[in-house]
Amino acid sequence: QSALTQPPSASGSPGQSVTISCTGTSSDVGAYNFVSWYQHHPGKAPKLMIYEVNRRPSGVPDRFSGSKSGDTASLTVSGLQAEDEGAYYCSSYAGNNNLVFGGGTKLTVL
Amino acid sequence: QLQLQESGPGLLKTSETLSLTCTVSGDSISSSSTFWGWIRRPPGKGLEWIGSIFYTGTTYYNPSLKSRVTISLDTSKNQFSLRLSSVMAADTAVYYCARHWPTIAAPFDPWGQGTLVTVSS
Repeated sequence: QSALTQPPSASGSPGQSVTISCTGTSSDVGAYNFVSWYQHHPGKAPKLMIYEVNRRPSGVPDRFSGSKSGDTASLTVSGLQAEDEGAYYCSSYAGNNNLVFGGGTKLTVL
Repeated sequence: QLQLQESGPGLLKTSETLSLTCTVSGDSISSSSTFWGWIRRPPGKGLEWIGSIFYTGTTYYNPSLKSRVTISLDTSKNQFSLRLSSVMAADTAVYYCARHWPTIAAPFDPWGQGTLVTVSS
């Protein structure tokens, strides 16, 4: 299976909203509501931010939200804060017990 | 609180076998319906799922790596391991271990901090 496609970078000023896309195919993102988003800061463990397209784990601010339309999933960060800066990766179940990740998006808070 | 920690050699030569261990604390690797997975991130690239093992020992591998990967459980040490044979430069990456449950489609949470493995000739 091929990796999910994410823009390499995204940016926004504090307080603004930014949306990161994650494009797959009808065999992964389009077929299943098992899309997750992870935040990664260098040297730290990746952190789950969104699962099952739009569900937030306990402790994740409601500034983070997820959605999906067709083969593309999206992560929106509202009210950007400095600590939101980092890399974001999407993942999806791809059927037949396979999992696929995206190439990652580096989010910069200006 | 569940924590995972990767360990293993950081430098390998081409054609050698990569062996990493993930030590789990705060939960048993024999916990029902739990999967334990390995993911890697090559420098400058995105994440790649390597494979996962169910608490029963059933394994699931990325088709692109399946011929070289073995994941196993060591319940006596509460650890699970990754072996990747015939490594090449393209296997240079930060390797992470993580838990997912109750299905293989479930998200990975939590993750270990990762360990860098460099393959050189």
